[in-house]
Amino acid sequence: GQNIDQPTEMTATEGAIVQINCTYQTSGFNGLFWYQQHAGEAPTFLSYNVLDGLEEKGRFSSFLSRSKGYSYLLLKELQMKDSASYLCAVIDSNYQLIWGAGTKLIIKP
Amino acid sequence: EAQVTQNPRYLITVTGKKLTVTCSQNMNHEYMSWYRQDPGLGLRQIYYSMNVEVTDKGDVPEGYKVSRKEKRNFPLILESPSPNQTSLYFCASSSLRETSQPQHFGDGTRLSIL
Repeated sequence: GQNIDQPTEMTATEGAIVQINCTYQTSGFNGLFWYQQHAGEAPTFLSYNVLDGLEEKGRFSSFLSRSKGYSYLLLKELQMKDSASYLCAVIDSNYQLIWGAGTKLIIKP
Repeated sequence: EAQVTQNPRYLITVTGKKLTVTCSQNMNHEYMSWYRQDPGLGLRQIYYSMNVEVTDKGDVPEGYKVSRKEKRNFPLILESPSPNQTSLYFCASSSLRETSQPQHFGDGTRLSIL
């Protein structure tokens, strides 16, 4: 079966750095997305990786290792508004999007 | 403005009373999808459509119907709603030709079945 694993919940301090990991086992791979979702709201796009390596976008970076089936989202200079759930999603060989259950990130002052 | 529009945003109804949640997108996307989201379970796909008149079951299709008569619209139908369908529902769309482009989501429909 297809599976995406993320930690359920993480806590970090305002101004710090946090890394949210995602491991996947899917039938094929055509890209990986990270989304941010605030409670009760729609997910919003953060990043896309299809090749190995690091993609940087402001305070957020995303890394991919296809050989390890592994990605992480790195959030720097954390702000209170970064408190949200972070969803990892993989495009499989049928171009279907497989979703992880999400990681709830709690930021403390 | 590119968007996915869902209606209604909130609905409280009773068991057995048929309801439809509409979804419309203005980006000429081929792919449309319905998800439900429950606490601790993440997004679960109900149905999806890769083009007009083409629909397929997702992971949790029981109790739901969809149709795709036009490219822009993808309504979700609950013929006989039950309390276990109380959830937060999202419609999403994306281009099949540009897989690097993310899915665009509607604002969500919070459905309560009493």
